[in-house]
Amino acid sequence: GAVVSQHPSRVICKSGTSVKIECRSLDFQATTMFWYRQFPKQSLMLMATSNEGSKATYEQGVEKDKFLINHASLTLSTLTVTSAHPEDSSFYICSATRGDTQYFGPGTRLTVL
Amino acid sequence: QKEVEQNSGPLSVPEGAIASLNCTYSDRGSQSFFWYRQYSGKSPELIMSIYSNGDKEDGRFTAQLNKASQYVSLLIRDSQPSDSATYLCAVTSSRTNAGKSTFGDGTTLTVKP
Repeated sequence: GAVVSQHPSRVICKSGTSVKIECRSLDFQATTMFWYRQFPKQSLMLMATSNEGSKATYEQGVEKDKFLINHASLTLSTLTVTSAHPEDSSFYICSATRGDTQYFGPGTRLTVL
Repeated sequence: QKEVEQNSGPLSVPEGAIASLNCTYSDRGSQSFFWYRQYSGKSPELIMSIYSNGDKEDGRFTAQLNKASQYVSLLIRDSQPSDSATYLCAVTSSRTNAGKSTFGDGTTLTVKP
C-alpha cells in the first residue's frame, strides 16, 4: 500500500501561538509532498509543494513566512502555522507522491480560538 | 475556463443504479488521470488511476478516458449508500512537477436507499 500519516489529527490552540503538523509516508519514500487547506464545503486548495532537501514552493497568495514548511527527509514533511489566528482555522491535508500518484494523509483539523 | 471541470452536483441516484461522474480538462498535454473519493470531514482517498484511452475496471468502478475529447469519467455500478461522497477528478500534465495534479472542485454524489 501507500500509507500517509498526519499528526496531530486535531488541534485547538489560542490565537498567537504556533502549531506544527507532521506528515509522514510510512511505507514509501516521497521526494515530493503537498500541503492543502480545505474550508467546510469548499474545494481543496493547494498551499505549497514540499521537496526533500530544498525550499518549498508556495502557491500564489500563500504567505511563506506564516506557513513554514520543512521537508527534512524522504518520509517527513512538516507544516508550521505561525502566530495562528481564528481565520487560519481549517482542515489541513498533506499528500505524498509515489511516482505520479498522490496519496493523502488523514488530515489535521485546526481550530484557533 | 477552469483547467479541470466537474459538475458540482449534487448527483442523486437510487441504490443499485449506475452513477456517472464526468470530468473535462483543458491541457492536451495531460497524461495521468485520477479519481478520488472524499467523505464529508475526511481526506481524499484514491479510487482509480487511468493513463490510456478506453475503459479501466476495478470492481464496481469503471474509469473511462477519451484524450481526443479531453474527457474522463467514472462509472459506479450497483451504487450503495456508502458511495455517497464527493468525487474529485485530478489531472497531471507532463509539464508539471511529478505528482502535482490539478483537481476539479468535485461532484457530490448521494445514493438514496
